[in-house]
Amino acid sequence: DTGVSQNPRHKITKRGQNVTFRCDPISEHNRLYWYRQTLGQGPEFLTYFQNEAQLEKSRLLSDRFSAERPKGSFSTLEIQRTEQGDSAMYLCASSPQGSTDTQYFGPGTRLTVL
Amino acid sequence: AQSVSQHNHHVILSEAASLELGCNYSYGGTVNLFWYVQYPGQHLQLLLKYFSGDPLVKGIKGFEAEFIKSKFSFNLRKPSVQWSDTAEYFCAVRNNFNKFYFGSGTKLNVKP
Repeated sequence: DTGVSQNPRHKITKRGQNVTFRCDPISEHNRLYWYRQTLGQGPEFLTYFQNEAQLEKSRLLSDRFSAERPKGSFSTLEIQRTEQGDSAMYLCASSPQGSTDTQYFGPGTRLTVL
Repeated sequence: AQSVSQHNHHVILSEAASLELGCNYSYGGTVNLFWYVQYPGQHLQLLLKYFSGDPLVKGIKGFEAEFIKSKFSFNLRKPSVQWSDTAEYFCAVRNNFNKFYFGSGTKLNVKP
């Protein structure tokens, strides 16, 4: 088990383009989380899946953001019509299902919107 | 709105000094509390967590934290820091809807 992986690690795009990030959680982890982290801030919750069901979505997430976890394994986060304000580190975390279980974070995808 | 406050943004200590990092949260319901650490160039990793029971919890590398419900606080402590503790530390709260809220982090710089 190599932990949570995220691809790509870095993405540079022009404003207005669409981008998609992938997260592969630790195998058999039911829960998967997406966060956004900007400079000088802690991770900011975006959305959360339990298996393939998206159970929570932050109000901070505009309609340009969508996340999927179609088979309850890997997940994708898509940002449409990127804006400069979307530049951030996008973190994925996974955890087993259980009230006392905690999250394991991936290395993140750093997005730069020019 | 739920929030987590870490009042110390940047702390500089000499080796062997004692450490206390403050964390306060605002949420009236049942919470689980966490401290995460991010060493330079590495992922966020769990330092310790509190779910219930003894409010004084011990984590890895000699860290501990105390949950004081009346003060909505979960401060992180270590009696004697080492140069290898140089990192950024994040306090986090999970509410009963399984949403996590993180503080803005405290950068700790330990001078050898």
